[in-house]
Formats: sequence, C-alpha cells, structure tokens
Amino acid sequence: EAQVTQNPRYLITVTGKKLTVTCSQNMNHEYMSWYRQDPGLGLRQIYYSMNVEVTDKGDVPEGYKVSRKEKRNFPLILESPSPNQTSLYFCASSLAGVNYGYTFGSGTRLTVV
Amino acid sequence: KQEVTQIPAALSVPEGENLVLNCSFTDSAIYNLQWFRQDPGKGLTSLLLIQSSQREQTSGRLNASLDKSSGRSTLYIAASQPGDSATYLCAVSSGANNLFFGTGTRLTVIP
Repeated sequence: EAQVTQNPRYLITVTGKKLTVTCSQNMNHEYMSWYRQDPGLGLRQIYYSMNVEVTDKGDVPEGYKVSRKEKRNFPLILESPSPNQTSLYFCASSLAGVNYGYTFGSGTRLTVV
Repeated sequence: KQEVTQIPAALSVPEGENLVLNCSFTDSAIYNLQWFRQDPGKGLTSLLLIQSSQREQTSGRLNASLDKSSGRSTLYIAASQPGDSATYLCAVSSGANNLFFGTGTRLTVIP
C-alpha cells in the first residue's frame, strides 16, 4: 500500500530533550515536507525537500532541523524542544512538488512540558 | 503573503442535504487550489485539485469550483451522508514548494 508513515503517533517529552520524528514514504516520491497544525492557524510548512540532500525552510523553521540522506526518509529533529512546539505534525510527500498529488502521513501529536 | 479563509468554521446539516463550503484567498496568482478532508486521528486525504486554468472539478458527489479573479472556491457536497462528517481544508499553491492552508470547516452530518 502506498503510504507515508510517521512515528511515533503520540509523544510527550520535556523541555530541552532532543527528539526525532521519523517519516518514510514508499512511493519513490522526490518531494517531502513537514507541516505543523495548530488551532486557529491551520497547517504551516516547517521544511521541505525537493530531493536527496536538498532541503529548504518553510514558513516556520525556527527550532527544527531536517535531513534527507535517502529518498524515502525525511526525519524532523527538535534539538531542544520548547512548549511552543506542542502541536500536531504532519509529513507529506508527492512526486515532484505541491502541484502533484500530495499524500499525508497520519500525524504525530507532540506535547512538550 | 497568501491568506486563506474558510467560512463557516463549523456546519451541521441533516443527512441528505446538499451543502456548500466556502474558501477565499487573498492573492489570485495561484497555480492550483486543493480540497482535503481531515478525519480525527488520521492524516489529510486529497479530494480535488483544480488547476488555475480550470473552473471546476468533480469527483462523485463532490464538485469544487474556482473563481481565481475573485479569489474564491466552493466545495459542493450533494446528498450528504454521516460518513461525510470530517474537517474540510482548502489549500492554494503559489509555486512548487508550499501550500497555504485555511483553518478548515468542521462538518457534521446528522443521521
């Protein structure tokens, strides 16, 4: 089944403890992206990647890092999480950019206390 | 910067009713407009994509229209069913790299 898989689905952590949210797709998509969703603000893009070793900032990149060492994986790294990063995170992928069919993962609900 | 607004924020209708969800955007220089469905605990599912040169797209009971010059789109759902209950998100693309999302309309279809 073609899908985007995120792990974990739920995570509660403490301020300052580094964490990684994994994202993997099995569709050989070139484009991958991370969004966060907050009440009243909609989904906002954090980072995106056009291909292996090519990443760029979205609208809200502060406090996040990403890497794209392999085509299928696009992990989101929070080096020192803070409570304002409590949110619902989505990974998405497409063949080549947002103007093609976009497949989303099921989301990761992160709480930073 | 592109801003996308969806009205109403929530809507309840009885089963079988036809309904319209609205989306407006501030910058008419878009590549396309997409409608997504979001179910609790699940990701977003793509419903319809309208290219900027198109006026509408249809999929089953769903019909989306686009008026780029006025910055508006509507999603029409015919003969609504309880299974249509979800949050519907509108998103516009102004380039290759990002979608700008609205905050969604939460639809409840009452049996």
